[in-house]
Amino acid sequence: DAGVTQSPTHLIKTRGQQVTLRCSPKSGHDTVSWYQQALGQGPQFIFQYYEEEERQRGNFPDRFSGHQFPNYSSELNVNALLLGDSALYLCASRFRGGGETQYFGPGTRLLVL
Amino acid sequence: QKEVEQDPGPLSVPEGAIVSLNCTYSNSAFQYFMWYRQYSRKGPELLMYTYSSGNKEDGRFTAQVDKSSKYISLFIRDSQPSDSATYLCAMSATDSNYQLIWGAGTKLIIKP
Repeated sequence: DAGVTQSPTHLIKTRGQQVTLRCSPKSGHDTVSWYQQALGQGPQFIFQYYEEEERQRGNFPDRFSGHQFPNYSSELNVNALLLGDSALYLCASRFRGGGETQYFGPGTRLLVL
Repeated sequence: QKEVEQDPGPLSVPEGAIVSLNCTYSNSAFQYFMWYRQYSRKGPELLMYTYSSGNKEDGRFTAQVDKSSKYISLFIRDSQPSDSATYLCAMSATDSNYQLIWGAGTKLIIKP
């Protein structure tokens, strides 16, 4: 059983560009959350998707947007990249009827130059 | 003041020692408490999950929650070099729709 997968693993962009990160949840999971983890910090919640809608959102600007597809996979889009957007972006999935436990993917490391 | 405080370390101990990792928090609404292990440049891996107060044991790992003191702990017995990683605590309130609030993580180094 494959766990949570994310692509790409690494990405380098320049300021002002746009980026799309992708996540496939663990089999049987229908809820996907995205987190930003700066170096030496804990993850910060960006938003959560289930039933193809954004259900919860953290304190992130509108430059951060997402999408969930009918197969429960998800995308995170970041527009007008800033140097401060450089971080590890983590996707986590869970089964909405299965309690609090989330399972994380390996992350996408984004570097903005 | 952050909602969840965690000493960043690093904490360096010899192999075989008992390790104690801790977090304090300020929000009395937190009910779900988790410990994650994160190896360098990898995603967090769930180690322990506890609801409300009490202890939970799983192999060499024991998680404790003291809600009266707003203090949680993770103990690792017979520590191994492979336990070297960053340990993050995370917690959520019952009505938060599963949004986790995280500590910054403690870097643990087990010396052979």
